[in-house]
Amino acid sequence: DVKVTQSSRYLVKRTGEKVFLECVQDMDHENMFWYRQDPGLGLRLIYFSYDVKMKEKGDIPEGYSVSREKKERFSLILESASTNQTSMYLCASTSGLTFYGYTFGSGTRLTVV
Amino acid sequence: AQSVTQPDIHITVSEGASLELRCNYSYGATPYLFWYVQSPGQGLQLLLKYFSGDTLVQGIKGFEAEFKRSQSSFNLRKPSVHWSDAAEYFCAVSSNFGNEKLTFGTGTRLTIIP
Repeated sequence: DVKVTQSSRYLVKRTGEKVFLECVQDMDHENMFWYRQDPGLGLRLIYFSYDVKMKEKGDIPEGYSVSREKKERFSLILESASTNQTSMYLCASTSGLTFYGYTFGSGTRLTVV
Repeated sequence: AQSVTQPDIHITVSEGASLELRCNYSYGATPYLFWYVQSPGQGLQLLLKYFSGDTLVQGIKGFEAEFKRSQSSFNLRKPSVHWSDAAEYFCAVSSNFGNEKLTFGTGTRLTIIP
């Protein structure tokens, strides 16, 4: 079964910490995405990547960065975590050749205290 | 820029009743449209999608949706809901093919009562 795997389901971090959220897909997809999900706001795009070492800002990139050194892995980095980054983070991927919609990971619920 | 509106934040229906979840989109050309479902604590699962052709599309779990260009709508329907359909539902739109960035609505939470 094809998968998008997010390394942690739950994380608790302290304000000011550097936080890494990892996402791995086994479908050889070119495109990968990071969203955050907040009640009443739906899903908002943080960053996305169409290829290795490529990245593009989404709608809310402030306070975040990303890394894509290998095709299957897309990391979201919170340089200095703040309480307003407490949220559910969802990773997704899709083929760059044939677009059938996203495959999502199960999400990482991050709490910054 | 593309956008999606889901006007109903929360809907409650009885088990066995019919369901319609509303979705309106804003996009200048022919959009690609999607419905996703999210069970509690889980990621999103694709229910169905519309790219072109027949405006009534069938999806998984007995869901269907109808694309109405004149109303800029893509409403999700199910003739008879089951308790397991309780979840949050998201409508999404994508623009030009080759740029598969999805814009999501704010979601509709569905509660099923016995």
